[in-house]
Amino acid sequence: AQSVAQPEDQVNVAEGNPLTVKCTYSVSGNPYLFWYVQYPNRGLQFLLKYITGDNLVKGSYGFEAEFNKSQTSFHLKKPSALVSDSALYFCAVRGPIYNQGGKLIFGQGTELSVKP
Amino acid sequence: DTEVTQTPKHLVMGMTNKKSLKCEQHMGHRAMYWYKQKAKKPPELMFVYSYEKLSINESVPSRFSPECPNSSLLNLHLHALQPEDSALYLCASSQGFLGSEANQPQHFGDGTRLSIL
Repeated sequence: AQSVAQPEDQVNVAEGNPLTVKCTYSVSGNPYLFWYVQYPNRGLQFLLKYITGDNLVKGSYGFEAEFNKSQTSFHLKKPSALVSDSALYFCAVRGPIYNQGGKLIFGQGTELSVKP
Repeated sequence: DTEVTQTPKHLVMGMTNKKSLKCEQHMGHRAMYWYKQKAKKPPELMFVYSYEKLSINESVPSRFSPECPNSSLLNLHLHALQPEDSALYLCASSQGFLGSEANQPQHFGDGTRLSIL
């Protein structure tokens, strides 16, 4: 069965410092991984995805994620955090390609707080 | 601005009321989704429509009734809800649900915040 884990409920970072939000996955077959962000009183916004190809994926708002097959991880990173990055971040894996492929399995979420 | 529009933004209803949530997208997407989200928790999938047909019902109580009148619209009809149904209800759409179409991201609306008195 597909699953994702976000081991940190909360991450605190000072503005200007690099940030990392961790995600590990468990899938049978090739992983198809996504990161979403949710700002207060908003829906989820897509940041980036890994389907195949380069292990470093670049996304919206200066975010990137590193896919590591041996460690089954897909950590979200940004070189310099902004206060406006403060939000709830979800890692997700999609279902098996020919059965419920579009169903997303979400991690529990990580609340990122960036202080000035 | 989100490309998936949900109305109303807020809804307060009694346990005996009947109401409907609406969702609209004009991106030509053929898969549409309803999720329920509690505060600071991940969204929980409720229903999936693929090409206007119900593909997934995640064992949702019958007091929630989805409807997909056409490829752009998705409704969620509510009746005799319980206090524990108070939550943010999110609609999403994506290019497709199966095969390589499912590699495309889901686009979410900003939700309807539902309160049951």
